[in-house]
Amino acid sequence: ETGVTQSPTHLIKTRGQQVTLRCSSQSGHNTVSWYQQALGQGPQFIFQYYREEENGRGNFPPRFSGLQFPNYSSELNVNALELDDSALYLCASSLGLDGDTQYFGPGTRLTVL
Amino acid sequence: GDSVTQMEGPVTLSEEAFLTINCTYTATGYPSLFWYVQYPGEGLQLLLKATKADDKGSNKGFEATYRKETTSFHLEKGSVQVSDSAVYFCALSSNDYKLSFGAGTTVTVRA
Repeated sequence: ETGVTQSPTHLIKTRGQQVTLRCSSQSGHNTVSWYQQALGQGPQFIFQYYREEENGRGNFPPRFSGLQFPNYSSELNVNALELDDSALYLCASSLGLDGDTQYFGPGTRLTVL
Repeated sequence: GDSVTQMEGPVTLSEEAFLTINCTYTATGYPSLFWYVQYPGEGLQLLLKATKADDKGSNKGFEATYRKETTSFHLEKGSVQVSDSAVYFCALSSNDYKLSFGAGTTVTVRA
């Protein structure tokens, strides 16, 4: 059974650019959630996808968008990058919608200069 | 809305000392409660969980009991090791889709 994987591991962008982060869910899981973890803080919920549809969204602007594919992998896209977008982006997968036990990937460290 | 408040760190202990990290929560309904651990340079790992009042979650010598009357889920370990050095996050999940996390507590165990 493979765990949650994310790519790339690290990424450096400049302000105003666009970025795409990728996540492969754990085998058998059909739900993917994305979180932003700023340095020294707890993760903040961005959104969740279930069976290719957005199932919920946190307090993030529309320039944060996502996709889920038929194999349940997912992408997080951020447009018009700002310095405050620098953070660790975590993907978590789970089975179903009950919000229980999410399994996290290692994260993508995004630095915006 | 849902929120989690956990003990501020950093916490520094000697090996074999007793560890307690306090966590209290505010939530609608009957949330599930979690402790996640983040080792240096890694993502979050589920440490333990409890899904209803008076449940006790336990793993790797760590324990936490879901106390509805005090809205708390304090993490304890009787004898810490250097390998327990990490950041610990308390989290909850209400009847929706997301986890709400505390700010994290950094624990350093010295040999």
